[in-house]
Amino acid sequence: SYMLTQPPSVSVAPEETARITCGGYNIGSKTVHWYQQKPGQAPVLVIYFNNDRPSGIPERFSGSNSGNTATLTISRVEAGDEADYYCQVWDSSSDHSYVFGTGTQVIVL
Amino acid sequence: QVQLQESGPGMVKPSETLSLICTVSGGSISSSSYYWDWIRQPPGKGLEWIGSIFYSGRTYYNPSLKSRVTMSIDASTNQFSLEVSSVTAADTAVYYCARSPRGYFNIWGQGTLVIVSS
Repeated sequence: SYMLTQPPSVSVAPEETARITCGGYNIGSKTVHWYQQKPGQAPVLVIYFNNDRPSGIPERFSGSNSGNTATLTISRVEAGDEADYYCQVWDSSSDHSYVFGTGTQVIVL
Repeated sequence: QVQLQESGPGMVKPSETLSLICTVSGGSISSSSYYWDWIRQPPGKGLEWIGSIFYSGRTYYNPSLKSRVTMSIDASTNQFSLEVSSVTAADTAVYYCARSPRGYFNIWGQGTLVIVSS
């Protein structure tokens, strides 16, 4: 089955840029979606179709996807961005199946 | 705006069947634009997709859970449901229901914790 690998944690200072990677075989051929999850809350969609933002998500959140790595970039990081982030793809090779990444905790220093 | 709400027992005994319902408000579950999904998250761990159901009743399940999972949909009550049979401690998790337009989940319920314990 398809697997997505993320770093367990990323530390970043306020106002700096956080980059969260999501590795998967030929992930560039798939569309990647990203979720933010704060403690005790349900995940929230922050990026869909590689680099589209739902309404209400700041422009500071952006995404890219190429080769074997997709990346979520958070610019000008704020304390409120501290959360777990998950990438996700639809695995068409398995008929209709969704796969989540292992998750990355973003720590704002 | 569309909202989803999970409901069901917070505790299930090992070997029994876990049953949850997701109630959709603010929109019709019969829309052909969406799939309706269940996702779970064991305490302190990551997200795991369980399965999807379309308004027609067509279902898709995670291969790792397929033998124990059943989903159904009821347009008259605007609800869809999940059953997981023969549960063990490994099925202890927060269970979320979610709406999927085209390959992603744009609306989530708040989640409900189900503990498997005797």
